[in-house]
Amino acid sequence: DQQVKQNSPSLSVQEGRISILNCDYTNSMFDYFLWYKKYPAEGPTFLISISSIKDKNEDGRFTVFLNKSAKHLSLHIVPSQPGDSAVYFCAASRIGSSYKLIFGSGTRLLVRP
Amino acid sequence: GAGVSQSPSNKVTEKGKDVELRCDPISGHTALYWYRQSLGQGLEFLIYFQGNSAPDKSGLPSDRFSAERTGGSVSTLTIQRTQQEDSAVYLCASSLMGGGGNNEQFFGPGTRLTVL
Repeated sequence: DQQVKQNSPSLSVQEGRISILNCDYTNSMFDYFLWYKKYPAEGPTFLISISSIKDKNEDGRFTVFLNKSAKHLSLHIVPSQPGDSAVYFCAASRIGSSYKLIFGSGTRLLVRP
Repeated sequence: GAGVSQSPSNKVTEKGKDVELRCDPISGHTALYWYRQSLGQGLEFLIYFQGNSAPDKSGLPSDRFSAERTGGSVSTLTIQRTQQEDSAVYLCASSLMGGGGNNEQFFGPGTRLTVL
């Protein structure tokens, strides 16, 4: 029973364009959401997060949007750069066990020069 | 090094053997986590240590799995009588404090375990 779902296993975009990575969740008790980025042979690194009390958080080229009614979040990367090519994981945590991150299966992003 | 380190980076073992995976967290980090990533899947929470509190072992898939954290620093994940379905990348993470939320978890590079 996957509580966090990333339905697109891969995404390819042209350099300079927008990358949009999507994530859906089923547990309404989730109150904190994160995006991690992973390069091959490395551990995931934290990218950006959002609390459930917000609907948008921005950090440079990266913006995360949260739609609680739809139980959906998305990560926008503008403009996309070849160095952004990696696997992106969406993760969530719930009230009462916020240390326990529940991850999606990841989306592999390829940014073409 | 300043990051989380794990050893070995790769481990190949035969079904039925025991394995030990090691994690050295970032110095000063009080919280330590183990996850595993099976092929094509996301990271799956296994266990959480925070200071001297009892660990949250709720993610361990069976009683063949155990973990300890000695002296509040290094952690060892032990898998007894390994099975082929244990094959995965085992990732360790640490954070300055526990409690989740915006306490960023820093991940190590993982140990790739292959059970033949």
